[in-house]
Amino acid sequence: AQSVTQLGSHVSVSEGALVLLRCNYSSSVPPYLFWYVQYPNQGLQLLLKYTTGATLVKGINGFEAEFKKSETSFHLTKPSAHMSDAAEYFCAVSDNNQGGKLIFGQGTELSVKP
Amino acid sequence: EAQVTQNPRYLITVTGKKLTVTCSQNMNHEYMSWYRQDPGLGLRQIYYSMNVEVTDKGDVPEGYKVSRKEKRNFPLILESPSPNQTSLYFCASSPRGGYQPQHFGDGTRLSIL
Repeated sequence: AQSVTQLGSHVSVSEGALVLLRCNYSSSVPPYLFWYVQYPNQGLQLLLKYTTGATLVKGINGFEAEFKKSETSFHLTKPSAHMSDAAEYFCAVSDNNQGGKLIFGQGTELSVKP
Repeated sequence: EAQVTQNPRYLITVTGKKLTVTCSQNMNHEYMSWYRQDPGLGLRQIYYSMNVEVTDKGDVPEGYKVSRKEKRNFPLILESPSPNQTSLYFCASSPRGGYQPQHFGDGTRLSIL
């Protein structure tokens, strides 16, 4: 069965500092991996996705993530945090065989200090 | 504008009183899904539908029903709500499956007393 673990339910960084949100997954077949962001009182928006091909994936708002099969990881990074990045971030996994299932991690709340 | 619309956005009700949360999408997507969001647990999938008249259980289907009679609509039905179903619910859709990026509604906050 697939699963996703996000390390750290809360991460706090200073404005301008590196953002690193960790995600590890388990999957018996090649995974499809996603990062979603949720701003207060809103639904989730797609930040970026990995399906096949290039392992470094660039998303919106300056975020990127690297798929590392050997480490079963898909960590999200941004070189320089902005106040507007404060939100909750969710990592998710699916695969072609599952068709309908999408498994989310527990979420990481990012705070950005001025 | 492409969107997933959920109604109501907020509902307070009592144990045992049947309720329906509607979900509609205007993108002609084949796939639709319901999730519940609880603190510390992330989003958990309740039911999903790969197409009209095709539905399947997610990870937490107990106490919920769904139907998919039309492509655009995917209502979530709580026949006899209980307090442990108090949660934030999201509907989502994608062109074909969970392995594709999902478009999410804005959520429905249910409180069951």
